[in-house]
Amino acid sequence: AQSVTQLDSQVPVFEEAPVELRCNYSSSVSVYLFWYVQYPNQGLQLLLKYLSGSTLVKGINGFEAEFNKSQTSFHLRKPSVHISDTAEYFCAVRGVGDMRFGAGTRLTVKP
Amino acid sequence: EAGVAQSPRYKIIEKRQSVAFWCNPISGHATLYWYQQILGQGPKLLIQFQNNGVVDDSQLPKDRFSAERLKGVDSTLKIQPAKLEDSAVYLCASSPTTSANEQFFGPGTRLTVL
Repeated sequence: AQSVTQLDSQVPVFEEAPVELRCNYSSSVSVYLFWYVQYPNQGLQLLLKYLSGSTLVKGINGFEAEFNKSQTSFHLRKPSVHISDTAEYFCAVRGVGDMRFGAGTRLTVKP
Repeated sequence: EAGVAQSPRYKIIEKRQSVAFWCNPISGHATLYWYQQILGQGPKLLIQFQNNGVVDDSQLPKDRFSAERLKGVDSTLKIQPAKLEDSAVYLCASSPTTSANEQFFGPGTRLTVL
């Protein structure tokens, strides 16, 4: 079965600074990869997904992620964050069977 | 297009009591999921329905948890009796088909067991 590790539980960053949230996965089969965002007291919202093709994936709100098969990683990046990006971010992987989520990274953007 | 609806949003109960959560998926979505999200963890799949049939319930604690989707539309998740470790947010999600690669999540029900 597949699994996901999010390497940072918390990432504090100042407004307008760049940010990278790290995600590594493990799977014996080809996978689909996802990033979801969860704002306080809300459900998860899809930011972006990698299914096939170009390894650089662009999503909503200026986020992008790069699929690296050799390093089994799918890191999320944004060149300049806003206060409104403060939220919990979840990396997820789907191979055979159900979708598996990482433990989440809390991004806190400070003024 | 209306999103996934869940109720109640919050529930506090004593251990050994029973509780039920309701979910109405996006209209036309055949696949419905229930997840448990314990504080500080990612969501964990409890059960997946395709229309009114169960696709995967391998991680559902069947001694106390049950779920149904009788008419293939809305669904109910029940816990009976509840334990302290059941305190979590219960998320419902739906997708057009089982093979679809985007799941649409509801706002969740936060359960506190005292």
